[in-house]
Amino acid sequence: DTAVSQTPKYLVTQMGNDKSIKCEQNLGHDTMYWYKQDSKKFLKIMFSYNNKELIINETVPNRFSPKSPDKAHLNLHINSLELGDSAVYFCASSQGRADPAGTDTQYFGPGTRLTVL
Amino acid sequence: GQNIDQPTEMTATEGAIVQINCTYQTSGFNGLFWYQQHAGEAPTFLSYNVLDGLEEKGRFSSFLSRSKGYSYLLLKELQMKDSASYLCAVRGYGQNFVFGPGTRLSVLP
Repeated sequence: DTAVSQTPKYLVTQMGNDKSIKCEQNLGHDTMYWYKQDSKKFLKIMFSYNNKELIINETVPNRFSPKSPDKAHLNLHINSLELGDSAVYFCASSQGRADPAGTDTQYFGPGTRLTVL
Repeated sequence: GQNIDQPTEMTATEGAIVQINCTYQTSGFNGLFWYQQHAGEAPTFLSYNVLDGLEEKGRFSSFLSRSKGYSYLLLKELQMKDSASYLCAVRGYGQNFVFGPGTRLSVLP
């Protein structure tokens, strides 16, 4: 069974369009994240949610809006796509503060490669 | 500010030992992680250090010195499948994680 899943795996779209990426985790984790990995392979945190509440919102354009309908899902909606949004987007989850070991290891989804033309 | 440095690329021979260094300056420290990422795949967890010293896990070990803002990942008995990028990440305050640029390791026969 896939622990953290994302759809779609590939997304090719035109500039100016609006698109969504879905993420689901079946690990029972409390915390979920969205990361962006650009062409230079830098992995940067965008958002973090703990039990459906936003706890981290890095300097990300407000065209990006995360939505967490329940603690197992964290979707990412992007409005008015720009060329610079092309990247691989990774969803991740961790136990968060509930981790008894304290490591709070993150488990990553397979990534969504977004290409904006 | 937050800054994590790692060498960009390293090359080693199958069967050898390689050490990948990571230096960090972050606001707050609640642990340092190493992740492995094969090309086109997701990062996977390798190790975690929160106290100074060495953590050993099979062929992989990770060391931390908090006073020096320094960590390394040691890979022994290198195998071809170890060719990947190795990402150093620091957890700051709360659930904020900062990743380094990654070190691309090539293992040659």
